[in-house]
Amino acid sequence: RKEVEQDPGPFNVPEGATVAFNCTYSNSASQSFFWYRQDCRKEPKLLMSVYSSGNEDGRFTAQLNRASQYISLLIRDSKLSDSATYLCVVNRPGGSYIPTFGRGTSLIVHP
Amino acid sequence: DAGITQSPRHKVTETGTPVTLRCHQTENHRYMYWYRQDPGHGLRLIHYSYGVKDTDKGEVSDGYSVSRSKTEDFLLTLESATSSQTSVYFCAIAGGDAETQYFGPGTRLLVL
Repeated sequence: RKEVEQDPGPFNVPEGATVAFNCTYSNSASQSFFWYRQDCRKEPKLLMSVYSSGNEDGRFTAQLNRASQYISLLIRDSKLSDSATYLCVVNRPGGSYIPTFGRGTSLIVHP
Repeated sequence: DAGITQSPRHKVTETGTPVTLRCHQTENHRYMYWYRQDPGHGLRLIHYSYGVKDTDKGEVSDGYSVSRSKTEDFLLTLESATSSQTSVYFCAIAGGDAETQYFGPGTRLLVL
């Protein structure tokens, strides 16, 4: 089993739709979780951290389920500008900061 | 945006030649990383550094070496470039809490 797994998609949704991505991780001792966004031919950029209690930033909601070892990202009211690849990132436990990236989920929002 | 630059941004080279990529930061961050990104593989860690002269290998370190003689610079060297090292290379930095990584704009390397 890969350390961090994501459905590569693409998820093809119309503007205004709600879309959700999941990401599973294999190491139950993992401590930190993040979602990054990567536009075509650009560098990844932090979208949001994922906290145990769940967190929301505008149209974006991130949640962590430690029991089932997955994190999720919910995007409401999708915009054309949300089209990108979303990378799940899990920080390995043990003190040193070595993040593990999922391969990403591609989102295409169409008019 | 975090102050992180990479040079060169694009490079074409021939098999067997050495290549050095530079990552420069102005944030005084402790951690620096080199990744490569290829279709179907996502981002893979090559080497990382947790301080000046302190470096360690990532998951795909064969054929690569790094050096960090100053906080602000992290160099990645392909000792003898091969076609399999054609890729996009990203440098990243992270601060003391190491909770968030900031990426450079990337270097596109083509090895012929």
